[in-house]
Amino acid sequence: EVQLVESGGGLVQPGGSLRLSCAASGFTFSSNAMSWVRQAPGKGLEWVSLISGRGGGTYYADSVKGRFTISRDNSKNTLYLQMNSLRAEDTAIYLCAKVLTGYYFFDYWGQGTLVTVSS
Amino acid sequence: EVVLTQSPATLSLSPGERATLSCRASQSVGSYLAWYQQKPGQAPRLLIYDASNRATGIPARFSGSGSGTDFTLSISSLEPEDFAVYYCQQRGNWPPLTFGGGTKVEIK
Repeated sequence: EVQLVESGGGLVQPGGSLRLSCAASGFTFSSNAMSWVRQAPGKGLEWVSLISGRGGGTYYADSVKGRFTISRDNSKNTLYLQMNSLRAEDTAIYLCAKVLTGYYFFDYWGQGTLVTVSS
Repeated sequence: EVVLTQSPATLSLSPGERATLSCRASQSVGSYLAWYQQKPGQAPRLLIYDASNRATGIPARFSGSGSGTDFTLSISSLEPEDFAVYYCQQRGNWPPLTFGGGTKVEIK
């Protein structure tokens, strides 16, 4: 059974940093691209970033480019999102998602971790 | 960036009725469009990918159609568990991957 469990969210001041983690199990992690998607409270889904299976390819939404860094440790089956220079508009639930093999859609999702940026 | 516009924003229907949801892209995305269902407090669930392919375990009452800029998700006969928010997402022209704003299917 595929499981994705996010952690690392919390309350942070504007300009601060946070690192999110996503522990994966139930599939061959290194063979799958992974992604972060966020959802502001009561709002829709927004794609944040994607990383290829081996980590050589990374992609970002313009809204986070230069501030967020996606990475992965395939030896630990873990996906990361380093978030710097956080802004109030980054407040959201951050969801880890597995990319459907061969496509850039998301076939499994975690439950998310809440990031709140506020003073 | 491809903008996806979903309509209507809210669809009020009764169990057993047919639901038809629309997703329009600002430019062609070929057939590279997916549909997700999200219930309150839950993660999204992939329903349809590449416009018309049902994901694993998705009931046959869900179907997708369309190509280019106009896509439709149909639910042939609404079950109580189908009342939720539905999102479309494109991969035809990325980055960025983009989602539509969602359609809420509510009980009439």
